[in-house]
Amino acid sequence: EVQLVESGGGLVKPGGSLRLSCAASGFTFSSYSMNWVRQAPGKGLEWVSSISSSSSYIYYADSVKGRFTISRDNAKNSLYLQMNSLRAEDTAVYYCARDARPGSTLRGHFDYWGQGTLVTVSS
Amino acid sequence: SYVLTQPPSVSVAPGQTARITCGGNNIGSKSVHWYQQKPGQAPVLVVYDDSDRPSGIPERFSGSNSGNTATLTISRVEAGDEADYYCQVWDSSSDHQRVFGGGTKLTVL
Repeated sequence: EVQLVESGGGLVKPGGSLRLSCAASGFTFSSYSMNWVRQAPGKGLEWVSSISSSSSYIYYADSVKGRFTISRDNAKNSLYLQMNSLRAEDTAVYYCARDARPGSTLRGHFDYWGQGTLVTVSS
Repeated sequence: SYVLTQPPSVSVAPGQTARITCGGNNIGSKSVHWYQQKPGQAPVLVVYDDSDRPSGIPERFSGSNSGNTATLTISRVEAGDEADYYCQVWDSSSDHQRVFGGGTKLTVL
């Protein structure tokens, strides 16, 4: 069974940093591109970042470019999101999501999602 | 950047057909995916590549895509279908960004 479990969320002050993790199991993690998607309270879904299976290709939404860094450790079956210079508008539930097709397409849909971790940016 | 436009809400009586639209410039040339999200839960893929269904999704869920509008159709709507629905595409013109529509709240009367 595919499982994605996020962790690392919490309360942080504006300008602060936080590192999110996503632990994957039940599939060959190293074969799939992975993503972060966020959802502000009461708002819609917003794609944040994608990383290819071998980390060769990385993309970011304009809203986080230069502040967030996505990475992965295939040996540990884990995905990460380093978030720096956090702003109030970064407050959201952050989901880890798997690209549906193995390989480095980075253009399709997401077939499995974690339950999310809440990040609150407030003084 | 590419914009996807969804109606904020759609209401339908049980047993009727719900149609949720997703508008975008020449969206018919893109592959459109749809997600269902119930309160407090993670999104669930219900239709991908315009009209394909993942295993486990009822045949009542179907999709189409042409011109400037993609449509998610839910036939014989049930109370359990009440949820937010989001369309999503890949925007090839903006650095491999995935784009979501604003979401549509489906209310079953």
